[in-house]
Amino acid sequence: KNQVEQSPQSLIILEGKNCTLQCNYTVSPFSNLRWYKQDTGRGPVSLTIMTFSENTKSNGRYTATLDADTKQSSLHITASQLSDSASYICVVRGINAGNMLTFGGGTRLMVKP
Amino acid sequence: GAGVSQSPSNKVTEKGKDVELRCDPISGHTALYWYRQRLGQGLEFLIYFQGNSAPDKSGLPSDRFSAERTGESVSTLTIQRTQQEDSAVYLCASSLGGSQGEQYFGPGTRLTVT
Repeated sequence: KNQVEQSPQSLIILEGKNCTLQCNYTVSPFSNLRWYKQDTGRGPVSLTIMTFSENTKSNGRYTATLDADTKQSSLHITASQLSDSASYICVVRGINAGNMLTFGGGTRLMVKP
Repeated sequence: GAGVSQSPSNKVTEKGKDVELRCDPISGHTALYWYRQRLGQGLEFLIYFQGNSAPDKSGLPSDRFSAERTGESVSTLTIQRTQQEDSAVYLCASSLGGSQGEQYFGPGTRLTVT
């Protein structure tokens, strides 16, 4: 069964600090991997997308990395802000997955002043 | 332009009642998806519509769940004889179509079954 595992489940950091969220997946072969940010009470919003041939992708203070050999991805947040408090979801699309995406359980990040 | 909208934003219903949830996708988006997100858990795929093709219903958890879509517009997700385990946020997403299109999510409908 294709799986996407994220760690940690939750994280508390102080404003201004950096953090790294992890995503391990077993979906193979895979087409692309996205990181989404989901604010409380809102739908997920895409932050980055990477295909199997890409190693890193940045979006402002968010930088995603991908190691397709080890099937690991990370999302690094630099100089965190209070507005970064949200759930971050790793989503993998497999080539043979038809129309289905495999969602990770998310990491709930809280940034404190 | 407007994003994906869903209604109602919140729905409280008694066990055994039927509920209907609505999704208005982004205009021009041929693909529409429904997901369920239980509290503290990841998203579960429910059903996918692509144009006039037969929908992919492989994620529907039981025959109490059904969904319809008229053309490439509004979709409704119907849950019959609701159970407490149906309590969740139901998210709708739309995309320009194809397996690679980015999905844009609506705000969700929070369903509480008492």
